[in-house]
Amino acid sequence: DIQMTQSPSSVSASVGDRVTITCRASQGVNNWLAWFQQKPGKAPKLLIYTASTLQSGVPSRFSGSGSGTDFTLTITSLQAEDSATYYCQQAHSFPITFGQGTRLEIK
Amino acid sequence: QVQLVESGGGVVQPGRSLRLSCTVYGFSFSSYAMFWVRQAPGKGLEWVAVISYDGSKQFEANSVEGRFTISRDNSKNTLFLQMNNLRTEDTAVYYCVKGIGRWELTPMDQWGQGALVTVSS
Repeated sequence: DIQMTQSPSSVSASVGDRVTITCRASQGVNNWLAWFQQKPGKAPKLLIYTASTLQSGVPSRFSGSGSGTDFTLTITSLQAEDSATYYCQQAHSFPITFGQGTRLEIK
Repeated sequence: QVQLVESGGGVVQPGRSLRLSCTVYGFSFSSYAMFWVRQAPGKGLEWVAVISYDGSKQFEANSVEGRFTISRDNSKNTLFLQMNNLRTEDTAVYYCVKGIGRWELTPMDQWGQGALVTVSS
């Protein structure tokens, strides 16, 4: 199984800051990597797929990069509504696996 | 407007069965792979199963293989998850999720609101 490891597990930042979350795969996944945002009590929302493709309707302050085993999600100009848990997920091979999540708190 | 509406959740005793349904609206159901993803209380996301657009291929996670079966009825725009021999560790919110493509290894885009399954004696 491909293990997805996110860092940090939690982060606290202020409105207007730039935040970077990393995701490392235990084996190469090419660019079959997605990022999701989940707010409490809500279903996850797709932000980025194929490592760097912004999902329709997602603000451009979200961006993704990487290939192979190392990926990043960057949020520029952080907004209060970005407070959430973020998950990476690989769709390269079965079983499909998610990272453990990164909780983003707005100071 | 894309909508995925899960139903069939509830409280069930260990060893019993339950069937979840997901009826979709606003897109061509028969053109996309579909997933079930679950989330235990206070925990992260876990992929459960996926089925190709035409139902010809299905894959389940090791943790549910042999107990859970994913299926679809394209004539009724409905996805199913038959869950047998339920265990307490199957307690979770189960999400129905649409794939971006037709086949099993495709990104997931649209999610339902989730159905809570509680396995308890």
